[in-house]
Amino acid sequence: DAGVIQSPRHEVTEMGQEVTLRCKPISGHNSLFWYRQTMMRGLELLIYFNNNVPIDDSGMPEDRFSAKMPNASFSTLKIQPSEPRDSAVYFCASSLNAGGSYGEQYFGPGTRLTVT
Amino acid sequence: AQSVTQLGSHVSVSEGALVLLRCNYSSSVPPYLFWYVQYPNQGLQLLLKYTSAATLVKGINGFEAEFKKSETSFHLTKPSAHMSDAAEYFCAVSDRSSARQLTFGSGTQLTVLP
Repeated sequence: DAGVIQSPRHEVTEMGQEVTLRCKPISGHNSLFWYRQTMMRGLELLIYFNNNVPIDDSGMPEDRFSAKMPNASFSTLKIQPSEPRDSAVYFCASSLNAGGSYGEQYFGPGTRLTVT
Repeated sequence: AQSVTQLGSHVSVSEGALVLLRCNYSSSVPPYLFWYVQYPNQGLQLLLKYTSAATLVKGINGFEAEFKKSETSFHLTKPSAHMSDAAEYFCAVSDRSSARQLTFGSGTQLTVLP
């Protein structure tokens, strides 16, 4: 079975450029989560969706960050304009949120973003 | 509100020795608890989960964890460490609500010495 798919795996961009990260969740999962991981701050939840609807975006650092989930099989995280402090590994995770499930999340391999 | 505390950001053991990674949780309702492992340059992988069916939970790669309500703990153990166990380990708790968010601990980096 295919797991969570993220693209690109690595992204190097210059400050001020727009960056779009992509995620395909596991088929049948109805919750999707975007995380950011850095040495300084650890693993941070940015936003999560349930049935394609954003439920909590309180972790999004500022207006430069936006996320969409146009359908059950695709989500994007966009940073515009990017800044060096956005350099991190961004993970997408999905889970099945339904009766009888326990909330375990399955993570993608991550996108390593470097902003110079 | 719920939270997870992992005692010890770095743990070193010798190959073949017991691995013990500590996790304490705080939750206002009976929790679901999870351990994840992250190998270098990879995403987090589910090791095991506690869902209230049994207090001793067995996971992949020979790991197990015991839920102790009286101690609000969910420590991860493995009888004999392998070099391949070197990774970062995260404990997490689910809020059991419809949102099913996970609250993660800060992680414990396990080093296995030859």
